[in-house]
Amino acid sequence: QKEVEQNSGPLSVPEGAIASLNCTYSDRGSQSFFWYRQYSGKSPELIMSIYSNGDKEDGRFTAQLNKASQYVSLLIRDSQPSDSATYLCAVNNMRFGAGTRLTVKP
Amino acid sequence: EAGVAQSPRYKIIEKRQSVAFWCNPISGHATLYWYQQILGQGPKLLIQFQNNGVVDDSQLPKDRFSAERLKGVDSTLKIQPAKLEDSAVYLCASSLAGGREQYFGPGTRLTVT
Repeated sequence: QKEVEQNSGPLSVPEGAIASLNCTYSDRGSQSFFWYRQYSGKSPELIMSIYSNGDKEDGRFTAQLNKASQYVSLLIRDSQPSDSATYLCAVNNMRFGAGTRLTVKP
Repeated sequence: EAGVAQSPRYKIIEKRQSVAFWCNPISGHATLYWYQQILGQGPKLLIQFQNNGVVDDSQLPKDRFSAERLKGVDSTLKIQPAKLEDSAVYLCASSLAGGREQYFGPGTRLTVT
């Protein structure tokens, strides 16, 4: 079992829709969770961090954490074509998933 | 505030040659990470430093890879000898402390022929 699992995608949504990205992790003792965005040919860029159960909102982004289910998700509201990228989930900021490729179609 | 600096940005070498990468973290960041990212995969942690001490190097292929952070600031990662499967982007990142938000440098794209 991989430590951090994400659907590889691609996930395609129309402009203005909500994109939902999911991540599961194996280490029940994990304490910190992060979402990064990576454009093709660029390095990862931090979007959100979340440390406690529940939701955390920042602009159009909402991170959701459920430690009992070992599940973390990222919602992107009002998706824009500029959101098209690969989204990486990281646990304890050292273990990364393979990423989900998101395409937002105009 | 200056970001994480890395050099070189690109490097092409032949197999069995050696190569070194340099990283300068954000000022004041105690924790420094080196990652290997193969095309289509997520970053894989190679080594984590806290100041000049190693916190985690469990995934570093120690027969050919080495890393140091002698004065607790900048760091070098070396591969000797390189193999074809080492072709990847090598990312350096830093954070104020372990487990906190990381900030990545632009990466070094290595091609081994």
